[in-house]
Amino acid sequence: AQSVSQHNHHVILSEAASLELGCNYSYGGTVNLFWYVQYPGQHLQLLLKYFSGDPLVKGIKGFEAEFIKSKFSFNLRKPSVQWSDTAEYFCAVSNFGNEKLTFGTGTRLTIIP
Amino acid sequence: DAGITQSPRHKVTETGTPVTLRCHQTENHRYMYWYRQDPGHGLRLIHYSYGVKDTDKGEVSDGYSVSRSKTEDFLLTLESATSSQTSVYFCASRRSAATNEKLFFGSGTQLSVL
Repeated sequence: AQSVSQHNHHVILSEAASLELGCNYSYGGTVNLFWYVQYPGQHLQLLLKYFSGDPLVKGIKGFEAEFIKSKFSFNLRKPSVQWSDTAEYFCAVSNFGNEKLTFGTGTRLTIIP
Repeated sequence: DAGITQSPRHKVTETGTPVTLRCHQTENHRYMYWYRQDPGHGLRLIHYSYGVKDTDKGEVSDGYSVSRSKTEDFLLTLESATSSQTSVYFCASRRSAATNEKLFFGSGTQLSVL
């Protein structure tokens, strides 16, 4: 079964710092990859997704992620974070042909003004 | 965002009582999902549905049942609530089985079992 690892449980950064959150999945083959964000008190929203083509994916609010198939990774990046990026971030993976989406345990990001 | 509403938003109940959570979507999405969110575990799939009366188990289905009698409604029932089922429950839906389709989430139900 697919599993997703997010090794950073809680990340604390100052505003304008660069961000990289790790995501690794276990099962190979054709995958679709997602990053979701949950702002305090809100439901999950899609940040970006990869399903084919250019492995560097750009999403909303200046976020991007790079799919590296050889490393089973899909790390999330942002060059300069803002206080409003404080949220919990979830990586998720689905295998081609499988309706189920497997989520990682999440990374809580705290931005200090 | 898709029109997904969950009810109730908050519920406190006692161990051993049955509880039903409701998810209602107005997007005519075929696929619907119930997840629970717990610290250190992220989101874990409880059950999902791929059409009216068509449901299947997720990774943490024990102690839960679901029903889908209409496209728009997906009910999650805890037959006899336990304290380990204290959690935040999220419903999600998507239009098709295409694995690049994103999920739309509801606002969650905070359930406390005392």
